Amino acid sequence: NAGVTQTPKFQVLKTGQSMTLQCAQDMNHNSMYWYRQDPGMGLRLIYYSASEGTTDKGEVPNGYNVSRLNKREFSLRLESAAPSQTSVYFCASSEEGQGAYSIQYFGAGTRLSVL
Amino acid sequence: AQSVSQHNHHVILSEAASLELGCNYSYGGTVNLFWYVQYPGQHLQLLLKYFSGDPLVKGIKGFEAEFIKSKFSFNLRKPSVQWSDTAEYFCAVGLNTGGFKTIFGAGTRLFVKA
Repeated sequence: NAGVTQTPKFQVLKTGQSMTLQCAQDMNHNSMYWYRQDPGMGLRLIYYSASEGTTDKGEVPNGYNVSRLNKREFSLRLESAAPSQTSVYFCASSEEGQGAYSIQYFGAGTRLSVL
Repeated sequence: AQSVSQHNHHVILSEAASLELGCNYSYGGTVNLFWYVQYPGQHLQLLLKYFSGDPLVKGIKGFEAEFIKSKFSFNLRKPSVQWSDTAEYFCAVGLNTGGFKTIFGAGTRLFVKA
């Protein structure tokens, strides 16, 4: 039982390059999330998907797009990377309710540097 | 706007010292409360949670937290820390403002000296 799996673990991009962060969960959870973690700012929600087929913006969605490919997979795309997107990205899932009343399970994170 | 405040960004303790990490939130409605922990090199995981009932909740590894509604607080405590408690601790608040959401605090980095 792998839980939440994120790939890649590390990535270095040049400004303007694009990339997709992949996330998959094997817990049959309805809700999935993408966060970014920056020093002194905690985790900030980028996008979430309350259920298969739906996605919604979180607190900091600019510069990102997401796809809920199926119930298991939720990808995050940077179309044109900027240095301000240097961060650690976490995918998470929960049974329901945007983690407000259910436990969130996190992936190991992707450390992204944009030069 | 709703927010979660963690009082200390960095805490350094010696083994066997007592720990209390503060967490306050700003929201007047019903909340669910969480503490998540991130050990070095590992992913975030749940330490403990409060949904309802006894405001003193116990989690893994000897941690506990007390919900004081009148103070909008959910402080994390441990009577005697160990070197293995070195980690970053995040307080989180789940709420419903017409839609569910979870707000995380900025985190507290705890370093326990052996």
